[in-house]
Formats: sequence, structure tokens, C-alpha cells
Amino acid sequence: GAVVSQHPSWVICKSGTSVKIECRSLDFQATTMFWYRQFPKQSLMLMATSNEGSKATYEQGVEKDKFLINHASLTLSTLTVTSAHPEDSSFYICSASGLAGGLITGELFFGEGSRLTVL
Amino acid sequence: GENVEQHPSTLSVQEGDSAVIKCTYSDSASNYFPWYKQELGKRPQLIIDIRSNVGEKKDQRIAVTLNKTAKHFSLHITETQPEDSAVYFCAAIHTGTASKLTFGTGTRLQVTL
Repeated sequence: GAVVSQHPSWVICKSGTSVKIECRSLDFQATTMFWYRQFPKQSLMLMATSNEGSKATYEQGVEKDKFLINHASLTLSTLTVTSAHPEDSSFYICSASGLAGGLITGELFFGEGSRLTVL
Repeated sequence: GENVEQHPSTLSVQEGDSAVIKCTYSDSASNYFPWYKQELGKRPQLIIDIRSNVGEKKDQRIAVTLNKTAKHFSLHITETQPEDSAVYFCAAIHTGTASKLTFGTGTRLQVTL
């Protein structure tokens, strides 16, 4: 299947700093990128959806000024957690859907995930 | 929007027994239903999926059934093994609109020796 590479896999930062997480689709065109957050023992909660070249659509309750998403190309999307606080500590996972044979299949390809710890 | 409910939240079975996880969805337009297995600290991995034009799909020890009328689908794992222990998520999406995938709340499966 398609490969999505996400890094860093884990990061520790001080409160108030910003952290950037990158997701790259290695062998397909990621027309849509989804960013999820997962707290311990909970499900994946969608934060935002981004389509290449356009602004991200944020889910209710997710601060767009705090979680900056950029999807400037069909192979790269980034999530920047600005002014991070301890409550932002979580597992962040990107996933991409794209074109396979010219059709959107619905299947998602997940990155490895990034564990953020804010001290 | 779509709402997916998943039961049970935890499931413990003995090695060799079968495990069944059930999900219901609310949007009758949803047409793609994947199941993911997630081990601790790792990304979800697609283990099986089913589209709305079929009622059942099987892949070795794993099978999924779909009842469109009742809007529910189930994951069946037979001859469970310790390595099946993980959290399993169901999900639903209407691919025609390329909308977001909605996940269930997850089932923590523990296979004991």
C-alpha cells in the first residue's frame, strides 16, 4: 500500500514553544490530509482536514490559530502546534487519502504518529 | 454528520476462541467501512474493509459482515492468538463525497493464554 512518513516520532518541548510535525506521502498524491489527535486509551479524534493548496477545515472545538496546518503540495502537509501547553500533550497522527487510478478510494494511509510531550 | 458507535469497549478472550466487535453507523449514505488494528504507540493498520455492495468479506481468520438495512457491521476474529491483542477501531465514510472518516470509540482486545 501507499506510504506516509511522519516525523518526528516523538518530541519533548517546553511550554510556550512551537512544534512542527511533518507528513509526507512517498509514493502517491495526497489530495487530502487528515490530522488526528489521540489521547491515551481514546479513539482518534479528527482535528482538521486539508486539501492541497487550500485552507484547512477545522473540527468544532479545535483552535485554528493554535494548530496551524499547511498543505502546500501533494506530498507534504505540516501541523504546527503553537505556544504549546501541557494539555496539548498527545499522540498526533496524520493520514492521507489520494488518487489511485484516478479515483478517490476512501482508504486512508496513516503516518507513524508523533508523540508530543509538553513540559 | 456520521456517528459511529462501537461495542464492547473491552473484550477478553482465551487463545483459540473467537472475538466479535460490533459497530453501528448513522449515515445511510456511508459506503466504505474499514477496520483498523492499533498497537500501543503505533499507527492504526488497516486489517480488513468492506464496501456497501457486499455483505461479507473474509481474509483468513478475519471476517467482516455488513447489514446496510440495520446500519451495522461487525468484525469477527476466529482462532484468536496473543498477537491479536490490540485496540481495534471501526470506521465509516461516504467515499463519493470524499468526506472525513469517522471512527468508532475502539475496542481493547486481550487474548489470554
